Amino acid sequence: AQTVTQSQPEMSVQEAETVTLSCTYDTSENNYYLFWYKQPPSRQMILVIRQEAYKQQNATENRFSVNFQKAAKSFSLKISDSQLGDTAMYFCAFMKHPQAGGTSYGKLTFGQGTILTVHP
Amino acid sequence: EAQVTQNPRYLITVTGKKLTVTCSQNMNHEYMSWYRQDPGLGLRQIYYSMNVEVTDKGDVPEGYKVSRKEKRNFPLILESPSPNQTSLYFCASSLWGLRRDTQYFGPGTRLTVL
Repeated sequence: AQTVTQSQPEMSVQEAETVTLSCTYDTSENNYYLFWYKQPPSRQMILVIRQEAYKQQNATENRFSVNFQKAAKSFSLKISDSQLGDTAMYFCAFMKHPQAGGTSYGKLTFGQGTILTVHP
Repeated sequence: EAQVTQNPRYLITVTGKKLTVTCSQNMNHEYMSWYRQDPGLGLRQIYYSMNVEVTDKGDVPEGYKVSRKEKRNFPLILESPSPNQTSLYFCASSLWGLRRDTQYFGPGTRLTVL
């Protein structure tokens, strides 16, 4: 079974600064996906960024980037130029690659979440 | 517009009173699932379905039932709700196969069981 751990229950950052959210995971799989989801006060789950484990290059999406360390099983999210709209709960999540087979088809395993507050 | 809808969005009920939370998607997705979100625990999968009439348990299935009679709908049934089922519930859907990684979430249903 896979586990995902987010050890920072809460973080805060000043507007326009950079913040990094941590995530570690445990799995015996070699091929998988990792995700960061954002949940604003509206509660909607919004996909922020996705990383495929077999790709060594770190994913980036505008102000969001990840530091994926496969050997260390670490997957942190960096938010640059933080904006007030980035205030939300952020979840790290793991999914087995479809080609891995077995059970748990399509299941996302989530971390506990990190509440990020961006201050003006 | 491609979307996953859930109803109701909010529900307060009493112990033992059967209820159904509906989920519908308009993207012709094969895979659908239900999650519950609790403080400090993140989201955990309750049940999933790979296609019509194919369902299976997730990590926390106790006290829940599901059915998949049509591809677009995947209702969550609580036959005898208890206070420990007070939670925020999400339905999600995706395509099958190699495109399974992109999951679309519904807006959530806040359930309170008194």
